[in-house]
Amino acid sequence: NAGVTQTPKFRVLKTGQSMTLLCAQDMNHEYMYWYRQDPGMGLRLIHYSVGEGTTAKGEVPDGYNVSRLKKQNFLLGLESAAPSQTSVYFCASSYGNRGKNTGELFFGEGSRLTVL
Amino acid sequence: AQSVTQLGSHVSVSEGALVLLRCNYSSSVPPYLFWYVQYPNQGLQLLLKYTTGATLVKGINGFEADFKKSETSFHLTKPSAHMSDAAEYFCAVRVNYGGSQGNLIFGKGTKLSVKP
Repeated sequence: NAGVTQTPKFRVLKTGQSMTLLCAQDMNHEYMYWYRQDPGMGLRLIHYSVGEGTTAKGEVPDGYNVSRLKKQNFLLGLESAAPSQTSVYFCASSYGNRGKNTGELFFGEGSRLTVL
Repeated sequence: AQSVTQLGSHVSVSEGALVLLRCNYSSSVPPYLFWYVQYPNQGLQLLLKYTTGATLVKGINGFEADFKKSETSFHLTKPSAHMSDAAEYFCAVRVNYGGSQGNLIFGKGTKLSVKP
């Protein structure tokens, strides 16, 4: 049972470089999310998607872009990385607004990004 | 708007002592409430959740939480701490309105230390 898988798990970037984080889920979930976790800040929602082909902004979307071309994948892109984007990024997924949705999010193990 | 406040960023208890982690929420509609646990260098794992029904909710690893609407609280307890309980704990409320329905809003986390 893979659940939610994030790649890569670690990455070091230089300021101005670009990169993409990939999230894949095998639970046929409708909703997917990208959060960032910083010390003392908890988890903050970057972007989310309520279905294939849809995306929406969360609490801290600036500097990030996302795409959901396939239901099972949710990509998070940094076009021009900045040191303020040094963080641990978590992808999560959940059932949509139908009978199975009890509100629980299923998380990946995180991707640690350092921007120098 | 919905929000979550966790009282105490760090809590330290002795092994065998009571664990009490405090969470207060703000919500204009009946909330769905969650506690997640994060062990070092891992993703978040669901401990327990309250959606409807019984207000005392039992979770994994001997934890339980009591939903008190009058106090807008959802405190997490465990009668006897174990060394393996050392982790960071997050309280969360599910957004129940508009286009953001399904998202979770997290508290800033409480790091639990257990002394031998």
